[in-house]
Amino acid sequence: DAGITQSPRHKVTETGTPVTLRCHQTENHRYMYWYRQDPGHGLRLIHYSYGVKDTDKGEVSDGYSVSRSKTEDFLLTLESATSSQTSVYFCAIDRGNNNGYTFGSGTRLTVV
Amino acid sequence: AQSVSQHNHHVILSEAASLELGCNYSYGGTVNLFWYVQYPGQHLQLLLKYFSGDPLVKGIKGFEAEFIKSKFSFNLRKPSVQWSDTAEYFCAVNGNSGNTPLVFGKGTRLSVIA
Repeated sequence: DAGITQSPRHKVTETGTPVTLRCHQTENHRYMYWYRQDPGHGLRLIHYSYGVKDTDKGEVSDGYSVSRSKTEDFLLTLESATSSQTSVYFCAIDRGNNNGYTFGSGTRLTVV
Repeated sequence: AQSVSQHNHHVILSEAASLELGCNYSYGGTVNLFWYVQYPGQHLQLLLKYFSGDPLVKGIKGFEAEFIKSKFSFNLRKPSVQWSDTAEYFCAVNGNSGNTPLVFGKGTRLSVIA
């Protein structure tokens, strides 16, 4: 939808393993975001990026790292997955001109 | 720090009833305000937004919201809901200057029954 895709769509992983989620955009937007969605918590910001190699932490960044080596890709890595990181992860891009964010379809991650 | 409070966790309405979902925010500056909708199993979609000007903004699917600066509120309204409005609704805010990330409320689940 609107030039933003997330992969994988679903993943089950074991506790302690590293996991990388990918967000890909085709529209060359500068700002990209990773949020997690949990019942009763809404969406909480994990990390965001304001350009290639420029990233910053959000509200719930512990246990996560990100990388943006090129404009179109924003990767989220769970360094050592824990059950508390079971969640739905959404990537978003800021399309600028006060148009708000466009969200990807999400990745449902289960850590067992 | 910015925060958003949505007062209702779950609202159940009959078709054709009127809807008002509350949203209050905390932020020490000029803000941009948004309402997003998430239909079951889908991602978030923008319903409407406020940046400046007329505090009553109209969005898609007959929704509107009113920004009341003195109350730090941005309530969402619809005069007559339909079964297809069943979804989760999120209010969000960010600062008007620069590109501060959006802060979301915890969401309100709306169930519309026939």
